[in-house]
Amino acid sequence: QKEVEQDPGPLSVPEGAIVSLNCTYSNSAFQYFMWYRQYSRKGPELLMYTYSSGNKEDGRFTAQVDKSSKYISLFIRDSQPSDSATYLCAMSASGGSYIPTFGRGTSLIVHP
Amino acid sequence: GAVVSQHPSRVICKSGTSVKIECRSLDFQATTMFWYRQFPKQSLMLMATSNEGSKATYEQGVEKDKFLINHASLTLSTLTVTSAHPEDSSFYICSARDQIGELFFGEGSRLTVL
Repeated sequence: QKEVEQDPGPLSVPEGAIVSLNCTYSNSAFQYFMWYRQYSRKGPELLMYTYSSGNKEDGRFTAQVDKSSKYISLFIRDSQPSDSATYLCAMSASGGSYIPTFGRGTSLIVHP
Repeated sequence: GAVVSQHPSRVICKSGTSVKIECRSLDFQATTMFWYRQFPKQSLMLMATSNEGSKATYEQGVEKDKFLINHASLTLSTLTVTSAHPEDSSFYICSARDQIGELFFGEGSRLTVL
């Protein structure tokens, strides 16, 4: 079993839909959870960063962590075609010196 | 936000040649940089961790004589793929960690070995 599991998709939704992206993990030591967005042929960019359990909201994006279930989610409201990208979850056990473990990414396609 | 510049973005070379990829942190000092390899529709595979002024730490299964990493300054790390072969063709991405621990990624370099 991989440390971080993420469905590669693709996930295709119409513009304006609410998107739910998810990852599960097996290492209970993970405390820091990140979501990255990667456009085709580009490097990943950090979208959201959360510590421990709970929700965090930033504009149209909401990150949710459920440590008891070892399950994290990224919700995108009012999805736009420009949101079409690969979304990678990442997590680590420690803070400042962390080396994150990445999921394989979910390909999202938002069609007009 | 902080910017990490990676160059070249795309390189095509003949089998047996060596290719150097540069990773620069443009507006911050990065004591630690990371090199990843990414295959199509796959996750980022950490190849090595590079600390300024010391030898890189390679992940299991990554040949250190094949993938030479140099981190000579706080803003520059280089990855040299020596005697490249077609199976080395991939997307290579660097990242740099700033003083508060946040990771910033370069744009990636696509290597094609003919």
